[in-house]
Amino acid sequence: NAGVTQTPKFRVLKTGQSMTLLCAQDMNHEYMYWYRQDPGMGLRLIHYSVGEGTTAKGEVPDGYNVSRLKKQNFLLGLESAAPSQTSVYFCASSPLAGGPNEQYFGPGTRLTVT
Amino acid sequence: AQKITQTQPGMFVQEKEAVTLDCTYDTSDPSYGLFWYKQPSSGEMIFLIYQGSYDQQNATEGRYSLNFQKARKSANLVISASQLGDSAMYFCAMREIYNQGGKLIFGQGTELSVKP
Repeated sequence: NAGVTQTPKFRVLKTGQSMTLLCAQDMNHEYMYWYRQDPGMGLRLIHYSVGEGTTAKGEVPDGYNVSRLKKQNFLLGLESAAPSQTSVYFCASSPLAGGPNEQYFGPGTRLTVT
Repeated sequence: AQKITQTQPGMFVQEKEAVTLDCTYDTSDPSYGLFWYKQPSSGEMIFLIYQGSYDQQNATEGRYSLNFQKARKSANLVISASQLGDSAMYFCAMREIYNQGGKLIFGQGTELSVKP
């Protein structure tokens, strides 16, 4: 049982390049989330999904796209990377949306855009 | 709009002493949940404790307890008998029960350093 995994762990991009971050969970969770963490700002929600085939915008969605074609996978895409997207990206999943159900986090992906 | 505020960017505590990390929140939803996560230097996010807005008692999990004062909209984390391994960033987060998707709103975090 690996929990939530993220690929890759580190990446350096040049401005304008594109990439996809992969999140996978093996807990059969319905809900999945992408956050970014910047110094002094905590975690901010980029996009989320309430089930296979669904996605929705979070607090800071601009410049990102997501897809959830399979229940266990949630992909985050950057079509044209910008230095402002330098951050640590966390994926999380949760079985239910309410109550004491915490979100389970992946180990993070450190992205640098030069 | 819902908001979480952690006013202590950094805190120091002596090993074996107790420490309180502050968290205040703002919401108009009568039903919500409050979470605390720990982020050690290795980077992973570790769930510590949960408090529901209708819970009558303060939540406790081992050395962690949540001092929940609903009228003051505060949900402070108390760590008893601090250990060197408690040195980490601590994040308070809130989820309004009826928000779509169970989204968490995080505070800015408090960096705790435990001195030997």
